[in-house]
Amino acid sequence: EVQLLESGGGLAQPGGSLRLSCAASEFTFGRYVMSWVRQAPGKGLEWISGISGSGSGRYYADSVKGRFSISRDNSKNSLDLQMNSLRVEDTAVYYCAKGGAVADTVYWYFDLWGPGTAVTVSS
Amino acid sequence: DIVMTQSPDSLPVSLGERATINCKSSQSVLYSSNNKNYLVWYQQKLGQPPKLLISWASTRESGVPDRFSGSGSGTDFSLTISNLQAEDVAVYYCQQYYSTPPTFGQGTKVEIK
Repeated sequence: EVQLLESGGGLAQPGGSLRLSCAASEFTFGRYVMSWVRQAPGKGLEWISGISGSGSGRYYADSVKGRFSISRDNSKNSLDLQMNSLRVEDTAVYYCAKGGAVADTVYWYFDLWGPGTAVTVSS
Repeated sequence: DIVMTQSPDSLPVSLGERATINCKSSQSVLYSSNNKNYLVWYQQKLGQPPKLLISWASTRESGVPDRFSGSGSGTDFSLTISNLQAEDVAVYYCQQYYSTPPTFGQGTKVEIK
């Protein structure tokens, strides 16, 4: 079954770190852009980071730039998000999302989402 | 960044009636070289991740019921749910992918009147 599954969420203190992972199954992982999208409690969706299929292009929202780092291992079909200097406002459900594609062109919309992993930043 | 603004924030609709959600972008998301609008719609039910409903402003994804339709071009778009069913209760989001960062509307909550 084509799916994404996040892990690594939990409770962290302000200023602390967490590393999220996303395991992909049953699609040619390295072909697609991948992203992390978060949703604060009761709020809307916020794209925070994305990475090209090869891993050479990495993109960040201003809200996390300099604190979060995205990476991927195409040999293991995995996507990671290293989150440092965490803030209370980083509390959210974090979704791993696969970019869409038409023929050989990939796009920054998301046609497959994981169930999400919850991150709580609190003292 | 392109700002996406949806209206209304909440939409109560009777079963079997039509629901129309609007989405406006702060700049055009129509790519002139291929005449395509880089806009999608998602449905998010309570406690679930978002589900892609429509891409390219009007192309329904496989398996999406034909009571869902998207329209619009440039900066103004709409998602219409005809013949609203109980299972359509959800929050709906538009998103542009014309430029990075991809940005979402704030969401519209569709509920049963």
